[in-house]
Amino acid sequence: EPEVTQTPSHQVTQMGQEVILRCVPISNHLYFYWYRQILGQKVEFLVSFYNNEISEKSEIFDDQFSVERPDGSNFTLKIRSTKLEDSAMYFCASSEQGTTEAFFGQGTRLTVV
Amino acid sequence: RKEVEQDPGPFNVPEGATVAFNCTYSNSASQSFFWYRQDCRKEPKLLMSVYSSGNEDGRFTAQLNRASQYISLLIRDSKLSDSATYLCVVNPDNAGNMLTFGGGTRLMVKP
Repeated sequence: EPEVTQTPSHQVTQMGQEVILRCVPISNHLYFYWYRQILGQKVEFLVSFYNNEISEKSEIFDDQFSVERPDGSNFTLKIRSTKLEDSAMYFCASSEQGTTEAFFGQGTRLTVV
Repeated sequence: RKEVEQDPGPFNVPEGATVAFNCTYSNSASQSFFWYRQDCRKEPKLLMSVYSSGNEDGRFTAQLNRASQYISLLIRDSKLSDSATYLCVVNPDNAGNMLTFGGGTRLMVKP
């Protein structure tokens, strides 16, 4: 069964450092997303990406964040100058065109110290 | 008012029991609805989409009531493996593909 894969599974970084979280969406999917879940809280939308550009973003997704599809398979989330409150599980997801059924990767647990 | 609201539970039920969860959503223009399941510290996994006519998948039945803006999930013959958090998820306006998640309802099925 095709799946979304994310690396690394756990990232520890110092406050102020930059991190890049990586994702390989399901191969025939055209919509890509990043969500985050702070421990004990609900899953929150960050950004959606289609046709090589951001299609939607939430108020959480400020100038500190950026996304990129550097090649035909990877989809990355960059967080510049990380803050303690960025500590969360970050989920990548993808969906086929024309449907909003999204399939999630196993997540990257980001810990900012 | 929260966009998607769920009773956090936990619902503690014995194996074999039938359990039902409800969820309410605030945006009447919402078009797409889903139930996801999330195990502790794992990713959300799609359980089922929710259609206007209601739909069933094995032991799971989902219903949508647009007039009252609520969605339900019924689980029959509960298994130990059903223990998880069930997330009610809504696409608020169908203009984009973002999903809005409820806080989840925790289910614990006991032997």
